[in-house]
Amino acid sequence: DSGVTQTPKHLITATGQRVTLRCSPRSGDLSVYWYQQSLDQGLQFLIQYYNGEERAKGNILERFSAQQFPDLHSELNLSSLELGDSALYFCASSARATSNEAFFGQGTRLTVV
Amino acid sequence: DAKTTQPNSMESNEEEPVHLPCNHSTISGTDYIHWYRQLPSQGPEYVIHGLTSNVNNRMASLAIAEDRKSSTLILHRATLRDAAVYYCILRVGPEKLVFGKGTKLTVNP
Repeated sequence: DSGVTQTPKHLITATGQRVTLRCSPRSGDLSVYWYQQSLDQGLQFLIQYYNGEERAKGNILERFSAQQFPDLHSELNLSSLELGDSALYFCASSARATSNEAFFGQGTRLTVV
Repeated sequence: DAKTTQPNSMESNEEEPVHLPCNHSTISGTDYIHWYRQLPSQGPEYVIHGLTSNVNNRMASLAIAEDRKSSTLILHRATLRDAAVYYCILRVGPEKLVFGKGTKLTVNP
């Protein structure tokens, strides 16, 4: 158990819909990262938050957004969903802004039908 | 983004050492080398990281070439639980880990 909790574990939704994925980092960790894993693209970095502020951005689509709340949990919002957004979404956390050792959650499997 | 090259797959026998190679010829002086592994149906798990010197921890050893253009992850005695995809990653800047395709390790009983 990494200490990072992601909910829900599975999500099935229709094209065009909007969903919210939730992540609770390990106790005391200030950084949260979001990654997308699909069969053809592998693990892709989406975005990082550190202590409530956006720190780094990767290949995140404009239809996707994220935020980190004062209690340090984070949410990833995916809107206008397309079939190609079906993937595993992982959240990771680390103690500081630099990711020498990041702890990953079990992921949320999103299926868009 | 700095790139790593790993074999697609490797096989090992239980209780034997495993050497997982990684090439990173475009590495810059400040890039850390990280290894993560991903067991089936789980999120990636940190294994080890290093900059220039060889590193050891309870899970594995990391041997870094003198020119830093390659590195090797060493599992001293493979177990069935070590079967996973192993990712060699260069940390790009202070924040993001750029994952490649990884090496799928199969451990035979």
